[in-house]
Amino acid sequence: DAKTTQPPSMDCAEGRAANLPCNHSTISGNEYVYWYRQIHSQGPQYIIHGLKNNETNEMASLIITEDRKSSTLILPHATLRDTAVYYCIARSFQGAQKLVFGQGTRLTINP
Amino acid sequence: EAGVAQSPRYKIIEKRQSVAFWCNPISGHATLYWYQQILGQGPKLLIQFQNNGVVDDSQLPKDRFSAERLKGVDSTLKIQPAKLEDSAVYLCASSLLAGGHRETQYFGPGTRLLVL
Repeated sequence: DAKTTQPPSMDCAEGRAANLPCNHSTISGNEYVYWYRQIHSQGPQYIIHGLKNNETNEMASLIITEDRKSSTLILPHATLRDTAVYYCIARSFQGAQKLVFGQGTRLTINP
Repeated sequence: EAGVAQSPRYKIIEKRQSVAFWCNPISGHATLYWYQQILGQGPKLLIQFQNNGVVDDSQLPKDRFSAERLKGVDSTLKIQPAKLEDSAVYLCASSLLAGGHRETQYFGPGTRLLVL
């Protein structure tokens, strides 16, 4: 699976949009971009995933660049409960491919 | 819908002792995963089961770690003997399917192990 690169930490004000970047310059054509988050003392939680089109669900939006070398997870109106470590993962959809977690981005939402 | 259950939540043991963790996946989920998460790092997959068969155990330290999933439902992960470097959170996850881009893994709260 392609390696992803994320900033180690970010801050965002409550109520503002949080934009979390991820670089995956070696992503291959059969790899999706997945985002999970892990709130303190809990297991990771699935947020969203996409291949090349932008995706939106009730939790977040995912913007993938046209060349697929990078993406941005957007939390439109961040709340204090969004404080967590966010993991960006490139994963093949073929076969039983495992999730390979990096160190993620520690997002802190400030009041 | 009940989530993934794990027990115990915390465990403290001395090195060279043995320890076991239990996981009950979401009902109907065929695939079960055990991850190890060392402080400050992302989770690392130890073993993946599809029903009661092992799909991937390439990163399981087999000299001391063992896991089983009897009857394709509950699973146990055992460490014998434990080392100091085994101190970590052990996470269990399950998914309805294995593979395919829509597969979503659901994680339990984890068991925090401290080896002294």
